[in-house]
Amino acid sequence: GNSVTQMEGPVTLSEEAFLTINCTYTATGYPSLFWYVQYPGEGLQLLLKATKADDKGSNKGFEATYRKETTSFHLEKGSVQVSDSAVYFCALSGGSSGGYQKVTFGIGTKLQVIP
Amino acid sequence: DTGVSQNPRHKITKRGQNVTFRCDPISEHNRLYWYRQTLGQGPEFLTYFQNEAQLEKSRLLSDRFSAERPKGSFSTLEIQRTEQGDSAMYLCASSPGQSGTEAFFGQGTRLTVV
Repeated sequence: GNSVTQMEGPVTLSEEAFLTINCTYTATGYPSLFWYVQYPGEGLQLLLKATKADDKGSNKGFEATYRKETTSFHLEKGSVQVSDSAVYFCALSGGSSGGYQKVTFGIGTKLQVIP
Repeated sequence: DTGVSQNPRHKITKRGQNVTFRCDPISEHNRLYWYRQTLGQGPEFLTYFQNEAQLEKSRLLSDRFSAERPKGSFSTLEIQRTEQGDSAMYLCASSPGQSGTEAFFGQGTRLTVV
């Protein structure tokens, strides 16, 4: 079945530092890949997505590129802000292992940005 | 449309009691999902509906759990004879069901079993 592995946190960075959160996946076929974010006290929100190989998803300065050859979808941001402090979840859906679009999540990586 | 709505937001119950949660998906979304999230973990899939049909149940969904989606609109998740291990955030999500589309999540219902 589908699975997602992402780096464990917490990750603590100073404001304006570069962020990378690694994510790799296991799935057959061509799943869609997502990054969701959960701010303190709030629900899950989609941050960005990519639906085919070599696609780059981007939003709010965050980027992730769908790498089929390395089965990866690493999240990056060039300059983090305190307001980016949240838990980030890598996720996937689809592929050829399932006939529907159940979303499978990674464990989540907590990011704390300090001034 | 205000998104996926879940009620109640919080529920505290005594062990052994039954609880029921409600989810109202985004209108016209034919797929509805229930997930459970415990502290420090990612959401874990519980069950999935396409319209009114329940198409899959996770092995996490014991016999004490039942979910329904009458008429393919709102859904309910009932837990019978609650146990302390049932304490978690229960998340509902919906999607339009097209390939590559993301799931839209509600705020969740936080259950505490004392």
